[in-house]
Amino acid sequence: GQQLNQSPQSMFIQEGEDVSMNCTSSSIFNTWLWYKQDPGEGPVLLIALYKAGELTSNGRLTAQFGITRKDSFLNISASIPSDVGIYFCAGQLGSSNTGKLIFGQGTTLQVKP
Amino acid sequence: NAGVMQNPRHLVRRRGQEARLRCSPMKGHSHVYWYRQLPEEGLKFMVYLQKENIIDESGMPKERFSAEFPKEGPSILRIQQVVRGDSAAYFCASSVTREDNEQFFGPGTRLTVL
Repeated sequence: GQQLNQSPQSMFIQEGEDVSMNCTSSSIFNTWLWYKQDPGEGPVLLIALYKAGELTSNGRLTAQFGITRKDSFLNISASIPSDVGIYFCAGQLGSSNTGKLIFGQGTTLQVKP
Repeated sequence: NAGVMQNPRHLVRRRGQEARLRCSPMKGHSHVYWYRQLPEEGLKFMVYLQKENIIDESGMPKERFSAEFPKEGPSILRIQQVVRGDSAAYFCASSVTREDNEQFFGPGTRLTVL
């Protein structure tokens, strides 16, 4: 089936550092979403992207919809301890008309104070 | 404006029993999606419903699993004759329209099958 390859699988960084993670696919997506999940909770939507090339920011978070529509990245600037969690990319296939999302495997972020 | 509500948050069942998971979408949302998450993995789509209609059930196992979203009341994901492999976190998400891809998730139901 369709698959999103998310990398890196995990990151352990120092507080204040910038973070970058990305998702790639062999399929074309018409929407990219980035979520954060804390332990025992549901994913929380961070950023939604709808157009190829779109660059969107939400506070210290910046995400881009790749021009080929097959990839997306998320940057977190000046990380803080509360950024700890699992970050998921999710996309809706260009061929889909049902709204179902395909999720990446997640990037586990740990921040050392 | 309350978010997506799911209950119970934790559910323990013995093999062979039935599990019923409930989801109330956000106010004004009429589209509901169910996803399953195994430990250390991403979420996997199961089913998409509108009121009284199943739109896409391509991710649902063919047997023992069913879902509904009645005209009144919450959406229900039902698992009959549970097996240990059904142990997972089940998340419900809702959106305003099919075209609105911003899906908002509930806190999930963690099912443990003994």
